[in-house]
Amino acid sequence: SQQGEEDPQALSIQEGENATMNCSYKTSINNLQWYRQNSGRGLVHLILIRSNEREKHSGRLRVTLDTSKKSSSLLITASRAADTASYFCATAVGEKGAQKLVFGQGTRLTINP
Amino acid sequence: DAGVIQSPRHEVTEMGQEVTLRCKPISGHDYLFWYRQTMMRGLELLIYFNNNVPIDDSGMPEDRFSAKMPNASFSTLKIQPSEPRDSAVYFCASEQGSGGNTIYFGEGSWLTVV
Repeated sequence: SQQGEEDPQALSIQEGENATMNCSYKTSINNLQWYRQNSGRGLVHLILIRSNEREKHSGRLRVTLDTSKKSSSLLITASRAADTASYFCATAVGEKGAQKLVFGQGTRLTINP
Repeated sequence: DAGVIQSPRHEVTEMGQEVTLRCKPISGHDYLFWYRQTMMRGLELLIYFNNNVPIDDSGMPEDRFSAKMPNASFSTLKIQPSEPRDSAVYFCASEQGSGGNTIYFGEGSWLTVV
């Protein structure tokens, strides 16, 4: 079963608007990561937030983590048509040295020009 | 760096045939992962290796699937015999470190079994 679940499954917004995607997970984590997948391509790492961090920024991306609620959000500000892609959260589970990433089902984001 | 290299990129095969997918991880990375992606099940971890040793193969669907990593720069995922329900995109990914860090994906092998 999937560890992370993204919400919404699909999101369509106008260029220039902000896009927010959420991720919930079930078990304790060491870190949470967000990845992007363009159609027909492999996943590309966007940002990693550790379990002891609450917020992290990278360019137009802002990620928050609430371990008490077992949830994370990814905010893309000032969206562009090129941001159209699927976005996945992934949680690192397991003991150190034997951790693995478990991915959610993803949010399909469409930016309309 | 060339990144994670997978081959073939696309394969169409008949049911019952053997399929071999190949992966070259990023040099120096000590973890290698095989994932499968389908519309129905999303992205599933099949198996992963650390320093060429299989650590967790609990995601391998059945005995028809096998994976090997004979050395640090090469891994294979084999399906024998293949079935139509094996049609999916198979991704190889690699990581450097203690596990749970950023992983780098290949472009995937798109498998269609007819």
